[in-house]
Amino acid sequence: GAVVSQHPSWVICKSGTSVKIECRSLDFQATTMFWYRQFPKQSLMLMATSNEGSKATYEQGVEKDKFLINHASLTLSTLTVTSAHPEDSSFYICSARDRWGGEQYFGPGTRLTVT
Amino acid sequence: DAKTTQPTSMDCAEGRAANLPCNHSTISGNEYVYWYRQIHSQGPQYIIHGLKNNETNEMASLIITEDRKSSTLILPHATLRDTAVYYCIVRSRNSGNTPLVFGKGTRLSVIA
Repeated sequence: GAVVSQHPSWVICKSGTSVKIECRSLDFQATTMFWYRQFPKQSLMLMATSNEGSKATYEQGVEKDKFLINHASLTLSTLTVTSAHPEDSSFYICSARDRWGGEQYFGPGTRLTVT
Repeated sequence: DAKTTQPTSMDCAEGRAANLPCNHSTISGNEYVYWYRQIHSQGPQYIIHGLKNNETNEMASLIITEDRKSSTLILPHATLRDTAVYYCIVRSRNSGNTPLVFGKGTRLSVIA
């Protein structure tokens, strides 16, 4: 089956630093990738949609200058949390849509802790 | 996409069938019912989807009512590893770049 990987699986960083999370589709091409955020005991909340080779579309309330998304290839998207603060601590999950089949597959998530 | 309603939580004894209901009374004709689950601290896992016929795979069965306004996900022999949050999502198969939108789901606890 289709596999989506994320790296790192967890990261701890100091307040004010930036963190990059990678999302890769391992055995399929994804023209569209999605980034979600999940706080404890809550559901997944969509942050942004990224299309290969173009700018990401952010959901209302998500700061595009803080959460930088790059989708430079059909198998890789990155999310950079800039100037991270403790309130950015969360579980970040990416998802990739197969360009041919249209199904959406999820990565294992990245747990970010900002101290 | 149509909205869904699920119970907040359910318990199930290990080895018994777990039946998870979902209401989607505003579903339209071209919308499918999808089920995902999320085990603690993991990404969502696809389980099954269907349009109007009952579906079965190695993980579960999906029963959709004739009027398609509700469905039930059945895990035939629940194990402790099936403890997770289960999400019922309704969406058109040809949704283009529209992402899956998650509600609150049902927290299933399988008890030994």
